[in-house]
Amino acid sequence: EAGVVQSPRYKIIEKKQPVAFWCNPISGHNTLYWYRQNLGQGPELLIRYENEEAVDDSQLPKDRFSAERLKGVDSTLKIQPAELGDSAVYLCASSQPGGADEQFFGPGTRLTVL
Amino acid sequence: DAKTTQPTSMDCAEGRAANLPCNHSTISGNEYVYWYRQIHSQGPQYIIHGLKNNETNEMASLIITEDRKSSTLILPHATLRDTAVYYCIVRVYTGNQFYFGTGTSLTVIP
Repeated sequence: EAGVVQSPRYKIIEKKQPVAFWCNPISGHNTLYWYRQNLGQGPELLIRYENEEAVDDSQLPKDRFSAERLKGVDSTLKIQPAELGDSAVYLCASSQPGGADEQFFGPGTRLTVL
Repeated sequence: DAKTTQPTSMDCAEGRAANLPCNHSTISGNEYVYWYRQIHSQGPQYIIHGLKNNETNEMASLIITEDRKSSTLILPHATLRDTAVYYCIVRVYTGNQFYFGTGTSLTVIP
């Protein structure tokens, strides 16, 4: 069974440019998470989806960040415009309803803003 | 607010047991203890979780003190591939976000 897929794996952009990250969760997983991980820190939740509904976006900087999960499957996280401080690894995770609520993480996208 | 305290780093000899401690003195009665690990350049990986009983699976054992204010993750026979950052997390079973904190960087030494 395929795991959580993220693309691209690496992205280098100049500040003020837009950037988008894509995530395809494990089939059947209704819950999808986007995390940001700064160097030397643990992941921090940006947004959580239950199907296509964003149920927790309290940590998402809404002035420049947006996310969507239109059909309740794959998701896109966008930053526009990017700032130097946005350099980080962006992780996507998914989980299935019930059970241990174990989150399965993708490999992440490493963003560098110059 | 990570709600847990872990040592910054630890070393363990290959083949020996690795015991990783975690303090969670403010844990609530309905909060579980989860452990994840993150190998370099990969996403975090679930290891184990528990409420108040000790738990064991194919990866590790979780020992939770009776007052639930601390726990220990045990890797019974550490290998070089266990070198990673280990995160101890407390959370309500569903619905709340995970607070990963900074974790413990475990280095397994040959």
